Formats: sequence, structure tokens, C-alpha cells
Amino acid sequence: DAGITQSPRYKITETGRQVTLMCHQTWSHSYMFWYRQDLGHGLRLIYYSAAADITDKGEVPDGYVVSRSKTENFPLTLESATRSQTSVYFCATSRADRGDTEAFFGQGTRLTVV
Amino acid sequence: DAKTTQPNSMESNEEEPVHLPCNHSTISGTDYIHWYRQLPSQGPEYVIHGLTSNVNNRMASLAIAEDRKSSTLILHRATLRDAAVYYCILRDWDAGNNRKLIWGLGTSLAVNP
Repeated sequence: DAGITQSPRYKITETGRQVTLMCHQTWSHSYMFWYRQDLGHGLRLIYYSAAADITDKGEVPDGYVVSRSKTENFPLTLESATRSQTSVYFCATSRADRGDTEAFFGQGTRLTVV
Repeated sequence: DAKTTQPNSMESNEEEPVHLPCNHSTISGTDYIHWYRQLPSQGPEYVIHGLTSNVNNRMASLAIAEDRKSSTLILHRATLRDAAVYYCILRDWDAGNNRKLIWGLGTSLAVNP
């Protein structure tokens, strides 16, 4: 039971390059989320998706693009990476985005932009 | 600003109970209290959640104040594997209100052998 898998676990890229972080789940949860975690900050929501082909912005969406053509996959793309996007990125899933449901997180991708 | 306030750090001894406090004085009637923990180099892991009544599960207990303005996560017997950062967050019943859900910095729990 893989649950939720993020890849790669670690990535170094250069400023200006496009990079895609992958997230795959095996639970068929409707909701999927992307967060970033930086030192001195809590988790911040980048984008979320309520179902296939439905995505919406979170708190810090600038510089990121998402898609969700299949329920199980929710890739996050940095179209032109900047140093400020160096962070640890977490993907999460949830059966519903309600207070009575819990979220499940992946192991994270540590991205360094040089 | 986070809607919850937690101590930056706490320390416990192995096999002793741990009470992790959280203040949420501005909680709304539709907010559920959630606790997650994050072990080093891992993603956050769900621990427990509740609305009004105290809750128990295999990992922990959640005690919620009668006015709901504070809660306490209780680890009944701390182990070394419980050393982690513990986050208390409020998750609204209304999904639209969760777009700006703010995670604070949590409480870093150290467990001494």
C-alpha cells in the first residue's frame, strides 16, 4: 500500500529552469494539495485540487502551475525556478476538504534552486 | 497570523505522559481542532482531531476545553519515537475557509531516555 508518493525526494536545479515535482496517490482521494515549508514559516498552501480537472490557488501560488488530468496524479511545475522557491515541498491528500477529515502527507521533495 | 498558539518547545522523559497545549481563542463554531506531528525529514502525520468532545485514538488523546478556546494533546507514555514537531491547526467545516489555513511553527518535543 504505497499511499502517497512524491518524486524526486531531492532536486537541485538552476535559476530559470523548469522543474516538475510529482505526486501520486493510490487512495483515490478527491482532494490533493501542494504545500511548501520554509525555515521560520509553517506550511503554506500553494495549490489544491478538488477533483480531476479542478484546481485552485492557495495562499502562495505565484510562480507555480499545477494540473490534474487523473485523480491519482497532481504534478507541481515551477515554470522558471527562482532562488526564493528553494524549499521543501509536500503533497497531501484528503477524502474531503472539511474539518472532520484528515489529510495525509507525502515524504516531501527538497528543492534547491542555485 | 496563525489562529493557534503553541509553546515553541517542550521536553519530556521516556515513558512519562506529555501534555501539549494549544490556544485558539478565536476559534469559530465550525472549526475542528486538528493535531499533526512531523518527524525529522518526513511529512506531517495526522494524529487526532475533534470538535467539542474529548477524543481518544491509538496514538493520543485530545482534551478540548469547554469553551473550545484551548486544547491539549496527551501522549500517555512518551517514547523516543514521539520526538517531533507537533502542530495544532483549526480546519473549518467549510472548505472555502481552509484556503488560507495557517500552520504555525508548532511545538518541538524532545524526549529524554
